[in-house]
Amino acid sequence: EAQVTQNPRYLITVTGKKLTVTCSQNMNHEYMSWYRQDPGLGLRQIYYSMNVEVTDKGDVPEGYKVSRKEKRNFPLILESPSPNQTSLYFCASSLSGSANSPLHFGNGTRLTVT
Amino acid sequence: AQSVTQLDSQVPVFEEAPVELRCNYSSSVSVYLFWYVQYPNQGLQLLLKYLSGSTLVKGINGFEAEFNKSQTSFHLRKPSVHISDTAEYFCAVSDRSDQKVTFGIGTKLQVIP
Repeated sequence: EAQVTQNPRYLITVTGKKLTVTCSQNMNHEYMSWYRQDPGLGLRQIYYSMNVEVTDKGDVPEGYKVSRKEKRNFPLILESPSPNQTSLYFCASSLSGSANSPLHFGNGTRLTVT
Repeated sequence: AQSVTQLDSQVPVFEEAPVELRCNYSSSVSVYLFWYVQYPNQGLQLLLKYLSGSTLVKGINGFEAEFNKSQTSFHLRKPSVHISDTAEYFCAVSDRSDQKVTFGIGTKLQVIP
């Protein structure tokens, strides 16, 4: 089944403790992206990647890192999480990253930072 | 820069009644338009998209949307809703020139039995 898989689904951590949220897609998509979803703000893009070894900042990149060493994987790294990063995170991918290419989303990771 | 406005944060509607979820956008260039649906505890799924051609676009689950260039709108409609349509709906705009996707804040559709 074609899908985007995120892990974990739920994560509770403390301020400053490094964490990684994994994302993997099995559709051979070129483009991958991370979003955070907050009430009243919709989805905001954190980082995106047009291809392997190519990453770029989205609208809200502060406090996050990403890497794209393999085409299928795009982990999101929080080196020193803070409470304002408590949010619902989504990984997404698309075939080419072109403007007319729809996004395929994972089921989300709900992160709580205390 | 482009922006997307979803005018209603919540829309309650009785089962089997029609519904319209409104979406307006602003952009200085040509755009592609999308509607995504998010069921509880799930990621977003593509409902329908407008890329070019006919301004009336049909999607999954009986939904359709009409692109109106003069009013810069892309409203989503369904003639008769079902309980299973209860979800959050997101309108999204993609800039043809720089591939950036902008999402609206979402509209929660609550179908009442």
